[in-house]
Amino acid sequence: DTGVSQDPRHKITKRGQNVTFRCDPISEHNRLYWYRQTLGQGPEFLTYFQNEAQLEKSRLLSDRFSAERPKGSFSTLEIQRTEQGDSAMYLCASSAGTSGVEQFFGPGTRLTVL
Amino acid sequence: LAKTTQPISMDSYEGQEVNITCSHNNIATNDYITWYQQFPSQGPRFIIQGYKTKVTNEVASLFIPADRKSSTLSLPRVSLSDTAVYYCLVGDLNNNDMRFGAGTRLTVKP
Repeated sequence: DTGVSQDPRHKITKRGQNVTFRCDPISEHNRLYWYRQTLGQGPEFLTYFQNEAQLEKSRLLSDRFSAERPKGSFSTLEIQRTEQGDSAMYLCASSAGTSGVEQFFGPGTRLTVL
Repeated sequence: LAKTTQPISMDSYEGQEVNITCSHNNIATNDYITWYQQFPSQGPRFIIQGYKTKVTNEVASLFIPADRKSSTLSLPRVSLSDTAVYYCLVGDLNNNDMRFGAGTRLTVKP
């Protein structure tokens, strides 16, 4: 399968704990995006990378959130000191080229903060 | 950013043609119109994209009038498996400014 993969698919954690999610984009896709989606809403943009450079961050991405894409391949999204309001589906997408013509999404990581 | 407005939900029956209209009155000259489909517990999937007039692919057609202030996604002969949420996005491809709205929840009934 050469699609976008995300790990883990589900994560349950207690409030205050740190969590880290991984996204492996389609090989050779140089753009990688992170979104958050809550029930009944569309995906909300969080941030995106062009190769290893993080080019844009949404104001939704508080100081507790950090994303990296160290070698321009896979990416990680870390949430520190999780809060119940962080419970959501975290989606990763990738696209080829320098524009977001077609984004290919992964299956997402569902986070539940107790 | 161009704001989009779509119906919250639509119902249809198997075999019918479904048309979902999206309003984007403030669309800019460089903006494209893109539609995504999302099934429960899955990430969105690209359906179609266009700039003006009509675009057709193997799954859908996209109709864009001359003023580009709206667009219509047309799904021919829907089946139960087309039950999903459909998102209309408008934005400049080079500026990465396309954002998802709440989408239209399409329910196809037998």
